[in-house]
Amino acid sequence: DAGVIQSPRHEVTEMGQEVTLRCKPISGHDYLFWYRQTMMRGLELLIYFNNNVPIDDSGMPEDRFSAKMPNASFSTLKIQPSEPRDSAVYFCASSWGTGGNQPQHFGDGTRLSIL
Amino acid sequence: DQQVKQNSPSLSVQEGRISILNCDYTNSMFDYFLWYKKYPAEGPTFLISISSIKDKNEDGRFTVFLNKSAKHLSLHIVPSQPGDSAVYFCAAGDYGNNRLAFGKGNQVVVIP
Repeated sequence: DAGVIQSPRHEVTEMGQEVTLRCKPISGHDYLFWYRQTMMRGLELLIYFNNNVPIDDSGMPEDRFSAKMPNASFSTLKIQPSEPRDSAVYFCASSWGTGGNQPQHFGDGTRLSIL
Repeated sequence: DQQVKQNSPSLSVQEGRISILNCDYTNSMFDYFLWYKKYPAEGPTFLISISSIKDKNEDGRFTVFLNKSAKHLSLHIVPSQPGDSAVYFCAAGDYGNNRLAFGKGNQVVVIP
């Protein structure tokens, strides 16, 4: 079975540029989560969707970040304009329901470097 | 504020011996806890979970213990194998908001 697929795996761009990260969740999963991992803060939840609807975006750092889920098989996380402090690994995860019996399945992440 | 804390960031253990990873949390409202394993350049992979109404859950070589009064849980891996060398994350969630809080991870190195 295909897992969560993220693209690109690596992105290097200059500050001020727009960055778009993509995620394809596992088919049938109705929850989708975007995380950011940094050395200082560890894994932080940015936003999550349920049935394509954003439920909680309280972790989105500022207005430069936006996320969409136009359909059940695709989501994007966009940063515009990007800044060096946005450099991190961004993970997408999906799950069928929530709770300990419905663990989140993670993609392999996008390593983002803003110069 | 870090609701889930993992101290002792790295652990080295001989193959065949027991690995014990610890995790403390501050929010008494957490309903369930999970452990994830992460290899370099890959995403975290679910390992085992436990409900707040239980004090132990076992799956093969992996056992998680929960002490609610101490707000503490631990993961035991026995026997440890070289393939267990990875970073282990503790996570906690509650059914009220569907968010998971993660610890910063423990690096485990199993020496053959």
